[in-house]
Amino acid sequence: DVKVTQSSRYLVKRTGEKVFLECVQDMDHENMFWYRQDPGLGLRLIYFSYDVKMKEKGDIPEGYSVSREKKERFSLILESASTNQTSMYLCASSLTGPSYSGANVLTFGAGSRLTVL
Amino acid sequence: GIQVEQSPPDLILQEGANSTLRCNFSDSVNNLQWFHQNPWGQLINLFYIPSGTKQNGRLSATTVATERYSLLYISSSQTTDSGVYFCAVVGTGGFKTIFGAGTRLFVKA
Repeated sequence: DVKVTQSSRYLVKRTGEKVFLECVQDMDHENMFWYRQDPGLGLRLIYFSYDVKMKEKGDIPEGYSVSREKKERFSLILESASTNQTSMYLCASSLTGPSYSGANVLTFGAGSRLTVL
Repeated sequence: GIQVEQSPPDLILQEGANSTLRCNFSDSVNNLQWFHQNPWGQLINLFYIPSGTKQNGRLSATTVATERYSLLYISSSQTTDSGVYFCAVVGTGGFKTIFGAGTRLFVKA
């Protein structure tokens, strides 16, 4: 089974701190995604990456950046955390892009619940 | 972009009851998945089902791609089935997965 591991289950940070959320997948997937989930707003895509060193903005990229230096690792960075970034952050990966005709299953990590005080 | 609508938004069942959750989508899709979000927040893949019918124990799913809907059936519900069920799709030629708002299920003992 594909395993997506998020480094921290719960984090508490102060406003203005730099925050790193790490995500590692072990199945050589090309695509990796960062979502945030908030009550009443559902899952919203922050950034995704379809290859090493490649990144694309999702629906809500403001206040975030990402890094993908190795295929298995996708990091979400909050340069200066703010209270409105308190949320559940979910990392996911999938095998490849839309040209693939086989099963392209999206697999999630356990989530990282971030509180910014 | 593609729209995904799930119904009902909330559902309360007595243990042992059956239920059907529906997902409508507005355009053709390459991928469709059903997820269960457990109480700890993790999204667990239930089915990858862009078309056809699949079964896994008490759960089954059917997607009719030509009519742009999918159904998730839960039979003999258990309290551990409680949580939020999400339908998620990827439009033809797309990268991004679009999620529905979810159906929140509570199964009473």
